[in-house]
Amino acid sequence: GAGVSQSPSNKVTEKGKDVELRCDPISGHTALYWYRQSLGQGLEFLIYFQGNSAPDKSGLPSDRFSAERTGGSVSTLTIQRTQQEDSAVYLCASSLENYRVEKLFFGSGTQLSVL
Amino acid sequence: GDSVTQMEGPVTLSEEAFLTINCTYTATGYPSLFWYVQYPGEGLQLLLKATKADDKGSNKGFEATYRKETTSFHLEKGSVQVSDSAVYFCALSDPTGGGNKLTFGTGTQLKVEL
Repeated sequence: GAGVSQSPSNKVTEKGKDVELRCDPISGHTALYWYRQSLGQGLEFLIYFQGNSAPDKSGLPSDRFSAERTGGSVSTLTIQRTQQEDSAVYLCASSLENYRVEKLFFGSGTQLSVL
Repeated sequence: GDSVTQMEGPVTLSEEAFLTINCTYTATGYPSLFWYVQYPGEGLQLLLKATKADDKGSNKGFEATYRKETTSFHLEKGSVQVSDSAVYFCALSDPTGGGNKLTFGTGTQLKVEL
């Protein structure tokens, strides 16, 4: 597709369950970001992938959160043993390496609700 | 650490009114500054940017000037339209942190009514 695609658009889960959120970046974009948008909060940086380099995981809030990027394209964000405070919109963004944050393209996000 | 503070919303205006959304920042280095906009049902998209002091970013009638002395980057538009209704996010990218991620404010929802 032409833009960054995220799935599912909405996810409702029970506390303690694991969830996987998927991001398909724009074809050819080597940089991929995950952000979280909680109610009343700004967008919180979670993790950043750049090509074959080690990801920058400095924003992951706990070891229940992990992410991988297979083949330099699709990325999956996994949250284990979900808690109610994990409820948020999870946003994915991608960019061409040369532009870094200057040309970030965002997906529409996954609304996660933990009951 | 780096941070961005922007005025809380929602901001409700009548069409053709003047808009100001305040944004101030703190950063270790000399950041680049951005305004992103999120229209209903869409992903965030870059509205405008400025990379050095006194630069003015502009797009779609919106403007913001990088003010180093007041560490501000306020968003303005002279005459808003209903189609401007969206959530606006101020953000910075700090080169001392590698420049590879954005720090966002909490967002300000704008509602424009006829």
